[in-house]
Amino acid sequence: GQNIDQPTEMTATEGAIVQINCTYQTSGFNGLFWYQQHAGEAPTFLSYNVLDGLEEKGRFSSFLSRSKGYSYLLLKELQMKDSASYLCVVRGSSNTGKLIFGQGTTLQVKP
Amino acid sequence: DTGVSQDPRHKITKRGQNVTFRCDPISEHNRLYWYRQTLGQGPEFLTYFQNEAQLEKSRLLSDRFSAERPKGSFSTLEIQRTEQGDSAMYLCASSSHNEQFFGPGTRLTVL
Repeated sequence: GQNIDQPTEMTATEGAIVQINCTYQTSGFNGLFWYQQHAGEAPTFLSYNVLDGLEEKGRFSSFLSRSKGYSYLLLKELQMKDSASYLCVVRGSSNTGKLIFGQGTTLQVKP
Repeated sequence: DTGVSQDPRHKITKRGQNVTFRCDPISEHNRLYWYRQTLGQGPEFLTYFQNEAQLEKSRLLSDRFSAERPKGSFSTLEIQRTEQGDSAMYLCASSSHNEQFFGPGTRLTVL
């Protein structure tokens, strides 16, 4: 089966750091993505991990541990515009590259 | 703007009617995906095209749903005899390698 778990909601303060955790159990694994989605808009790509370790990209970092089926997205220096849903996404082992999405974590950034 | 466009952006229809959506991917992308997203959930995979060939369909795609990509460029998704449960955001994405670029989606409301 396919299962991706992430918290439903989180709240953080502007300027702070927040970590969104994700655990997954999928029949295959060929990479993990994080996407950001603002309400009523399409998902936009944030990060991609296929090997264990940390990938850093400006204010955003993503970590992967394949043995633990675990990833996190770290957002630093939070801004109000970071209020959005953050989707943990696994690409299974099929040749199609289809993505399996978690339900998303709604992050609210408060002043 | 990711370069993927979808038309229409919104569609309201009565139960039992047929609807058709169009997706124009990024021109050099050979992979095209359709997803469906309901409120509060992450997108769910519907179908995948590589060039003009439809290589995978989800079991979510009942026989009322059909998708085509006739020349390996744009794609259409048709829903026949719509039901209220078909109300959702229909997202199209295209890719050439890892990252999938999403269009703005078509929001379908079935009355």
